[in-house]
Amino acid sequence: GENVEQHPSTLSVQEGDSAVIKCTYSDSASNYFPWYKQELGKRPQLIIDIRSNVGEKKDQRIAVTLNKTAKHFSLHITETQPEDSAVYFCAASGNTGFQKLVFGTGTRLLVSP
Amino acid sequence: NAGVTQTPKFRVLKTGQSMTLLCAQDMNHEYMYWYRQDPGMGLRLIHYSVGEGTTAKGEVPDGYNVSRLKKQNFLLGLESAAPSQTSVYFCASSWIPGSNQPQHFGDGTRLSIL
Repeated sequence: GENVEQHPSTLSVQEGDSAVIKCTYSDSASNYFPWYKQELGKRPQLIIDIRSNVGEKKDQRIAVTLNKTAKHFSLHITETQPEDSAVYFCAASGNTGFQKLVFGTGTRLLVSP
Repeated sequence: NAGVTQTPKFRVLKTGQSMTLLCAQDMNHEYMYWYRQDPGMGLRLIHYSVGEGTTAKGEVPDGYNVSRLKKQNFLLGLESAAPSQTSVYFCASSWIPGSNQPQHFGDGTRLSIL
């Protein structure tokens, strides 16, 4: 089955810096890669996703890149702000027909003012 | 439109007790899921349902049962709670099959087994 590895487990940056979180997956058939943000004590919320027919997707200060050959995808946050502090999870869908997501173990991002 | 609603929000059980967690969604989603979240382990799929009357096992199904008698509700049962089931439980739902639509999560149920 699908296996998703996420790095780093913790990331500390200064406000205004960029942050990059990387994930690798094992199933070459995976074709959907969402990123979720979870603030302390809250629900995971989708912030951006990418499908296998696209190499990069941007939404304001966040972007996701996908390298299907290497089977890895990354989340990029530019001009970080304290409110970006949260745990970020990547995920991959291992089946084409049914969206059974496999999640990474999460990255705790701390943005210091 | 409330989205995905989970009840209860918190619960403390003694080992061996049983309980049912309720998930309700008002988005007419076909798919529903139960995850557990433990420190350092991300979200792991317990059971899922692809439609009313259907259920299937996920990654960590042992010790849990589920039912989807109505499209909008997905119940997670613990027949005999164990301390290893102490966790935060999230329910999620998503739209039509075959198109990898985003999953929408509830606020979670924090469950402690003593």
